[in-house]
Amino acid sequence: DVKVTQSSRYLVKRTGEKVFLECVQDMDHENMFWYRQDPGLGLRLIYFSYDVKMKEKGDIPEGYSVSREKKERFSLILESASTNQTSMYLCASSSGGSSGNTIYFGEGSWLTVV
Amino acid sequence: SQQGEEDPQALSIQEGENATMNCSYKTSINNLQWYRQNSGRGLVHLILIRSNEREKHSGRLRVTLDTSKKSSSLLITASRAADTASYFCATDGSFQKLVFGTGTRLLVSP
Repeated sequence: DVKVTQSSRYLVKRTGEKVFLECVQDMDHENMFWYRQDPGLGLRLIYFSYDVKMKEKGDIPEGYSVSREKKERFSLILESASTNQTSMYLCASSSGGSSGNTIYFGEGSWLTVV
Repeated sequence: SQQGEEDPQALSIQEGENATMNCSYKTSINNLQWYRQNSGRGLVHLILIRSNEREKHSGRLRVTLDTSKKSSSLLITASRAADTASYFCATDGSFQKLVFGTGTRLLVSP
């Protein structure tokens, strides 16, 4: 069974803290994504990566960075957490090649910044 | 950038009824996908329809695509309480970046 695992389901962090959200997939997928989901705004793409050490900005990259040192792992980093980054974060992966491949999501990480 | 807009935002029906959700998008696409999200969980892929297809079925799901109107619909027949979830359409971009709509919340009452 395909699996995208997000290491933390619920986190509470203080403003200004550095936050790491980890995501691991076991499907040997080339593409990995980080989305955030907010009520009324749907899912918005933060960053994605189509290969190891490669990254591309999504629609809302400000305040975030990412790391992909290994193919199976894609980390989202909040350098200095702020309250407006309180959200649900979803990691996803898909195989490379032509469009139309299924994207597999993790269960989500609920982050509260106080 | 939001590509898809689902309509209605919320839908409440009784078990056994059919549920229809619509999605409109702005730019040309290669394919359109529908996903389901149970409350507080990740999204699960339901069905993909390619731009050269007009209709596709999967179990109780039927998806239509009208590229001239830039719209798609998802029909769930004979709905069940377990179908209660949010449903999202998503259109593809480069590197398979999916652009999601804001979703339709479906409530199926027993």
